[in-house]
Amino acid sequence: NAGVTQTPKFQVLKTGQSMTLQCAQDMNHEYMSWYRQDPGMGLRLIHYSVGAGITDQGEVPNGYNVSRSTTEDFPLRLLSAAPSQTSVYFCASSYSFNGRVQGDTEAFFGQGTRLTVV
Amino acid sequence: SQQGEEDPQALSIQEGENATMNCSYKTSINNLQWYRQNSGRGLVHLILIRSNEREKHSGRLRVTLDTSKKSSSLLITASRAADTASYFCATAGTGTASKLTFGTGTRLQVTL
Repeated sequence: NAGVTQTPKFQVLKTGQSMTLQCAQDMNHEYMSWYRQDPGMGLRLIHYSVGAGITDQGEVPNGYNVSRSTTEDFPLRLLSAAPSQTSVYFCASSYSFNGRVQGDTEAFFGQGTRLTVV
Repeated sequence: SQQGEEDPQALSIQEGENATMNCSYKTSINNLQWYRQNSGRGLVHLILIRSNEREKHSGRLRVTLDTSKKSSSLLITASRAADTASYFCATAGTGTASKLTFGTGTRLQVTL
């Protein structure tokens, strides 16, 4: 099983460029989310989705867009890259249990995308 | 803002010793989870403990939860060099729209 697949693994952008980080899962999980990880700050939630067609903001959503057209895919778009968005980005998915949004079951993480904005 | 805060930030022990990491959180939770992250990799789920549980075991892992003190601990017994990684606690709130909120992690180094 592939689990959660993120592409690309590494990316360098110039300030102002836009790009899309891809995330796909093959476990039929309803819940998907994007985190960024910065040194000394742990993981911070950017956006999340409780199912196809439904998305919501997390802790640090500014500068990012998401959409969820299918259960499998949850792309993260950087609209106009800034150096402050240099980070490692992780996508995660989990099973939605009893209608609750995440939290009742383990989250499965992708291997991450290391993004540098120069 | 971080819900969980791990202590210590870094821990260095020798192989065979036990490693204890602590996590404190601020608000009521539905459950608390521990994850491991090897350098340059994604997070891997270790164990989930629900708010009505006090202790849980999985292999060499032992997790305790004290909801009155809003704290949890992760004990790794008989550590191995392969246990070298960062360990994160994550909390899920009690609302129906709860999300996993991660702490800042403990970096564990196990030397031979």
